[in-house]
Amino acid sequence: DQQVKQNSPSLSVQEGRISILNCDYTNSMFDYFLWYKKYPAEGPTFLISISSIKDKNEDGRFTVFLNKSAKHLSLHIVPSQPGDSAVYFCAASASAAGNKLTFGGGTRVLVKP
Amino acid sequence: DADVTQTPRNRITKTGKRIMLECSQTKGHDRMYWYRQDPGLGLRLIYYSFDVKDINKGEISDGYSVSRQAQAKFSLSLESAIPNQTALYFCATSDSQGTSYNEQFFGPGTRLTVL
Repeated sequence: DQQVKQNSPSLSVQEGRISILNCDYTNSMFDYFLWYKKYPAEGPTFLISISSIKDKNEDGRFTVFLNKSAKHLSLHIVPSQPGDSAVYFCAASASAAGNKLTFGGGTRVLVKP
Repeated sequence: DADVTQTPRNRITKTGKRIMLECSQTKGHDRMYWYRQDPGLGLRLIYYSFDVKDINKGEISDGYSVSRQAQAKFSLSLESAIPNQTALYFCATSDSQGTSYNEQFFGPGTRLTVL
């Protein structure tokens, strides 16, 4: 049973608009959450993260929101740019379990010019 | 130069063959990981190593083995490859002493096809 789920396998958005990617988790031990971005033929690269003691973290065009009671987090990209077209993975870790990462299935984002 | 390298980048092999995927890092990190990526399933952890003498199974270790030859090298072996091991394989590293100890750094991946 997947402990981290990204229910939208793909997302298409117009350049300049907002992209919203969603992620749900089931394990209440998770206390740190990360988003990774992956281009074809490359490894995933770290994008942004959030600790469970916060509900929002912002880095430039990227903002991650965490709703612990709903076990839900989201990534907002504003404004979306063509270079943001990639696959985005949500990941979670539990400090009590050695900080190993558990990944969601990914969401493919296409930003149209 | 890439901080985390994987060899080979692509490999086609036949059922029953033994194959080794290699990973090297120049980041000086103590922790290393092997993942496989399948469509819709994201990345799943195969094995991980928190230091040279520490090897642990991940969620899908059956059919795989690993060797941590040095702090900078971590290899993944398929003793007898089968078609459902066809996937994209990633090596990753992390620094347990760093301020971003949760963050893992990934290699470029190895595309493995088992016929």
